[in-house]
Amino acid sequence: EPEVTQTPSHQVTQMGQEVILRCVPISNHLYFYWYRQILGQKVEFLVSFYNNEISEKSEIFDDQFSVERPDGSNFTLKIRSTKLEDSAMYFCASSRDQETQYFGPGTRLLVL
Amino acid sequence: QKEVEQNSGPLSVPEGAIASLNCTYSDRVSQSFFWYRQYSGKSPELIMSIYSNGDKEDGRFTAQLNKASQYVSLLIRDSQPSDSATYLCAVNIWRGGGADGLTFGKGTHLIIQP
Repeated sequence: EPEVTQTPSHQVTQMGQEVILRCVPISNHLYFYWYRQILGQKVEFLVSFYNNEISEKSEIFDDQFSVERPDGSNFTLKIRSTKLEDSAMYFCASSRDQETQYFGPGTRLLVL
Repeated sequence: QKEVEQNSGPLSVPEGAIASLNCTYSDRVSQSFFWYRQYSGKSPELIMSIYSNGDKEDGRFTAQLNKASQYVSLLIRDSQPSDSATYLCAVNIWRGGGADGLTFGKGTHLIIQP
């Protein structure tokens, strides 16, 4: 069964550094999403992407964040200058029909 | 502000019994409703989706939706220890023309006691 994959599984970085989180959505899906979950808190929507552009973004997704689909398979989330409060689990999700979203295993980001 | 509320628990249920998980949402235009299961340290795993009022059954799981009361629930029959996890309620508002993010509740921690 096709799955969303994410790399790396863990990332440790210094405050102020740039990080790129990578996702490979399910191959026939058209809608892509990033979510984050700070430890012990709820899953929060960051951004959605469709037809090579951002469809919706939350208040969390400020100018420090960007997304890109650099080729036909990858979907990336870049954090330009990480802050301590960016430490979280970041989940990529994809959907074929704009309804049912399937989540990847996540990238655990730790900012020191 | 879209809000999804769940009792955080823990909800403790004996093995073999029915576990009942509840969720309320604030946005009346919410159109799609989902239950995800999340084991500790893992990603959300889709269990059920429901779009119209009434019940929807899938194996041991039944989702119930009441849009007038802005209420959605999940019943797990014949609960197993492997059902012990946090259950996340999520809602989606489809605005057309693009992809809309899910709004999640904080989740209910379910413990199935052997």
